[in-house]
Formats: sequence, C-alpha cells, structure tokens
Amino acid sequence: AQSVTQLGSHVSVSEGALVLLRCNYSSSVPPYLFWYVQYPNQGLQLLLKYTTGATLVKGINGFEAEFKKSETSFHLTKPSAHMSDAAEYFCAVSLPPMFSGGYNKLIFGAGTRLAVHP
Amino acid sequence: DTAVSQTPKYLVTQMGNDKSIKCEQNLGHDTMYWYKQDSKKFLKIMFSYNNKELIINETVPNRFSPKSPDKAHLNLHINSLELGDSAVYFCASSTAGDHANSYEQYFGPGTRLTVT
Repeated sequence: AQSVTQLGSHVSVSEGALVLLRCNYSSSVPPYLFWYVQYPNQGLQLLLKYTTGATLVKGINGFEAEFKKSETSFHLTKPSAHMSDAAEYFCAVSLPPMFSGGYNKLIFGAGTRLAVHP
Repeated sequence: DTAVSQTPKYLVTQMGNDKSIKCEQNLGHDTMYWYKQDSKKFLKIMFSYNNKELIINETVPNRFSPKSPDKAHLNLHINSLELGDSAVYFCASSTAGDHANSYEQYFGPGTRLTVT
C-alpha cells in the first residue's frame, strides 16, 4: 500500500523567505508524486508532478520539488515566499499505470498549511 | 467557463434526509472522481468513474451512491444522512489512459455539506 506523510501541519515563513514543505512517501514500486495547492474555499490545483525522468520538477508559481528515491522524499520549495502563497498544500502519491491498471487513484497526505507574514 | 463545477456549493440538512450533489466537467475528460475532505482537511477518494463505468469504489457506506448519466457528469446521492457525513465533497476529472497526463486531476470548488 502507498502512503504519504507531510511533516508539519503548519509552516510559517516571512515574505521573501525560502519555503520548504516536506513530504515523504511509502511505495513498493516507483511512484508518481504530486503537489496540489488549495486556496481558501477553493478546490485543489495541481502545482507540479513527478512521473519519470528528471528528478527536479518545476511547477507553477515558482515552486519546484525534487524526487529523492534514497530518502523517499518529494519536498516542495520556493526560493522567495509571496503573500499570495498562503494556502494549504497537499502531497499525493499514485501508482504508475503499469502497476495500477490505468486507475489513477491519488493518495493524499494530511496537508500543510502555509502562512506568509510580512 | 468553469472547468469542473459542482452544485450546490453549500448544503445544510438534517439527519436522516437524502440529498444529492451534482458535478459537471467541460474538459472532455473520460474519468471523474468524488473525494471527501473531513474537518481536518484530510482528503480521501470515494469513487471513480471512467466513461460512465465505476472503476474505483473505496470503503464507503452504501448510503452513498454515485451515478454517471454521461461522461461529463458524476452525481453523488447520499441516503439517510448522518452527522459524520458533514464534510467538503470534491469532484474531479482527468483524461483516461496510461499516460502521465491522465494523472493530472482537475478539481471542482467543492460542496460543503453540513448535517445537523
């Protein structure tokens, strides 16, 4: 079975500071990994995904994440936080098609609330 | 145009009632999903339909019954509502198939269900 652990349910940073949101996964096969963002009272929006290939993936709004197989991690970073980045961030894992039968079921972490203060 | 829409946005009802939530997507996707987000923001998949066929059915009480009249719509009917059903329900959609893009799910704005 797959699972996701997000370390830190709340993270607070100053505007302009580095954002680091931690995600560790458990998977018996090479996983697909995702970060989604949820702004208040809205649905989830895909920030970035890792499937295969380059382990450093870039997403929208200046975010990027690095897949580290040896550490079973997929941490999300942004060099400089902006007030508009304040939101809930979810890491998710899925089985690749060859293992899932084409059923792309996402398993989500518990989420990390990012607060950005002036 | 909203890609994935849900109605209603808010739903307040009493225990024991039956209610439905509707979802529509105009992205041309073949696969649709229902997720439940509890009060602690934890998201869990409930159902998935591919081209009107049920393909994922998680451990959900049978009071919950999804229905897909066509591949652009996936409705969720809940019978005999209980206090524990209070949550935000999200609909999502994606393309079908075994390519990486089929794993990008597009979410609706959510329906906040409150059972009193």
